[in-house]
Amino acid sequence: SQQGEEDPQALSIQEGENATMNCSYKTSINNLQWYRQNSGRGLVHLILIRSNEREKHSGRLRVTLDTSKKSSSLLITASRAADTASYFCATETSGSRLTFGEGTQLTVNP
Amino acid sequence: EPEVTQTPSHQVTQMGQEVILRCVPISNHLYFYWYRQILGQKVEFLVSFYNNEISEKSEIFDDQFSVERPDGSNFTLKIRSTKLEDSAMYFCASTATGAGELFFGEGSRLTVL
Repeated sequence: SQQGEEDPQALSIQEGENATMNCSYKTSINNLQWYRQNSGRGLVHLILIRSNEREKHSGRLRVTLDTSKKSSSLLITASRAADTASYFCATETSGSRLTFGEGTQLTVNP
Repeated sequence: EPEVTQTPSHQVTQMGQEVILRCVPISNHLYFYWYRQILGQKVEFLVSFYNNEISEKSEIFDDQFSVERPDGSNFTLKIRSTKLEDSAMYFCASTATGAGELFFGEGSRLTVL
């Protein structure tokens, strides 16, 4: 598998439900970040978790990191239609170069 | 809120032509980046730039590509002789510290015919 692979590739849920996206990676990392991209738009940073952290919260977002399994998950609670977007994990190894995953397309149905 | 701005938003060019994509990073940021995203694919790193020189580049960033900071505000990506496979969305990003969160622009869509 490639550095930064997300699953599922696509996720469709109803408004109010929780959405969970997973990311796996291969090499040691400094941190792992999650970004959101609305269709045809730029990437917006959501949350960063450092390699020595296991869990982090920001509003309705919860991210976990398991460095032993080289995996992370992003949970969006109480989803809204406006959360519809693509979500990417990105790993930072040396320097500031980010390696992005394939992304999860989240659709939240009203 | 400060933001990274990119121009043009969309450029159509003929194969073999030179293209310059422009970016204005956030004013107090010192580290600058170009990434690209081919339609339907993941975002790929091209190059990072700090202190007026390239810090790191990927295998995609071959001799056809160059970057420049011609003045105190602009950061440009030049593709010398475009190929069909250069068609993509090109994103500029910047950061103050060289690590952590990147601030991305809205992208420049390049279509090579």
